[in-house]
Amino acid sequence: AQSVTQLGSHVSVSEGALVLLRCNYSSSVPPYLFWYVQYPNQGLQLLLKYTTGATLVKGINGFEAEFKKSETSFHLTKPSAHMSDAAEYFCAVSEGGYSTLTFGKGTMLLVSP
Amino acid sequence: GAVVSQHPSWVICKSGTSVKIECRSLDFQATTMFWYRQFPKQSLMLMATSNEGSKATYEQGVEKDKFLINHASLTLSTLTVTSAHPEDSSFYICSASFGTDSQETQYFGPGTRLLVL
Repeated sequence: AQSVTQLGSHVSVSEGALVLLRCNYSSSVPPYLFWYVQYPNQGLQLLLKYTTGATLVKGINGFEAEFKKSETSFHLTKPSAHMSDAAEYFCAVSEGGYSTLTFGKGTMLLVSP
Repeated sequence: GAVVSQHPSWVICKSGTSVKIECRSLDFQATTMFWYRQFPKQSLMLMATSNEGSKATYEQGVEKDKFLINHASLTLSTLTVTSAHPEDSSFYICSASFGTDSQETQYFGPGTRLLVL
């Protein structure tokens, strides 16, 4: 079985500060890992994904994430937060392809001026 | 990127009525579509996986007779909430998968908010 744990239901940063959203996973096979962003009353938008190969993955809007197998982590970072980054972020895992996506509980990112 | 639409975006209905939600992949053919449910301030819970031309696969605890899924074509899947009750009020989101193997990606629709009075 697969699972995802996102540490912190809310993360607050100032505009221009580093964004770090934490995600740990468990999977019985090499995982596919994803970060999605959800704006209020909208569906999910894919930020980035890791399947195989390079462990540092770059996504849209300046976000990136690093797959660390030894730590079973896939933390999301952005060097400088922007007000428009305020949204809810979901980490997800699948055991290869799209057998099933399992989502974490989400982390709300709050950005203050 | 690939676009997935949902219709309607929101619906209010009386208890006991049925509601149909459409999910369309606009610029690609989706062999597989997924239906999720999201309660306020919670994560997405997979309800069912829908493959074109075959019966949907429901997750444990999801009533297949209450949540009817039809995947009639490679670009359209529908979710019908039958005899809706207030506890069915939720945000329903569909997704469609595109690509193969490591390039396969799920693209999500904008969601449908259902309120049952």
